Amino acid sequence: SQTIHQWPATLVQPVGSPLSLECTVEGTSNPNLYWYRQAAGRGLQLLFYSVGIGQISSEVPQNLSASRPQDRQFILSSKKLLLSDSGFYLCGSGVYEKLFFGSGTQLSVL
Amino acid sequence: KNEVEQSPQNLTAQEGEFITINCSYSVGISALHWLQQHPGGGIVSLFMLSSGKKKHGRLIATINIQEKHSSLHITASHPRDSAVYICAVYNTDKLIFGTGTRLQVFP
Repeated sequence: SQTIHQWPATLVQPVGSPLSLECTVEGTSNPNLYWYRQAAGRGLQLLFYSVGIGQISSEVPQNLSASRPQDRQFILSSKKLLLSDSGFYLCGSGVYEKLFFGSGTQLSVL
Repeated sequence: KNEVEQSPQNLTAQEGEFITINCSYSVGISALHWLQQHPGGGIVSLFMLSSGKKKHGRLIATINIQEKHSSLHITASHPRDSAVYICAVYNTDKLIFGTGTRLQVFP
C-alpha cells in the first residue's frame, strides 16, 4: 500500500520569504503526483501535476513552482511568498484506481 | 464554470436520514472518485467508479457516463459521517476536484 509523507504539518512564514514543501511517496513507482491548494472555505485547486521525473505541468499561473527530482519526490517552492499564498497544501498520488494523499501543510503567510 | 460541479454545497441532516450528494462533470473522464475530507484536512478515497454502481457499508456510489453524472448516497446517516465529500474526475493525467459538499449530521 502507498504512503505519502508530507511535511511540515503547519508553517508560518513572513511575506517575501522562500518556501519549500516536500512530498515523498512509498510503496509504488512512477506514480502520478499532484500538488493542490485549498484556500479557507474553498475547494481543492490543482496547482501542478507530474507524470514522471522532471515532467511538471502547471495548471494555474502563480508565484509557485514545482520540481520532481526523483521518481517519488515532489517539491513545491516559491522564491518570495505572497499573502495570497496562504492556504492548505496537499500532495497527492494516484494511478487510476487508487488515490492517496498526504496529511497536508497549513501555510500561513503573515 | 467549474469542470466538476457538486450539489448541494452544504447539507445538514438528522441522524438516520438518507443522504444524496450529486456530482456533474463537463469533461471526458476515465474514472471518477468520491473522497472524504475530515476537519483536520486529511482525505481518504471512498470509491473509484468507471461505470455502474458500488456499495461499501452504508455508502453507495453510482455513475451515469452518458449523462456525466454521479451520486453518493449515505443510508442511515450518523454524526461520524460529518465531513466534506469531494467528487474528483480523472481527465487524461489530471485529477480535477469538485468544490465539495459539507455534510453535518446531528444526533
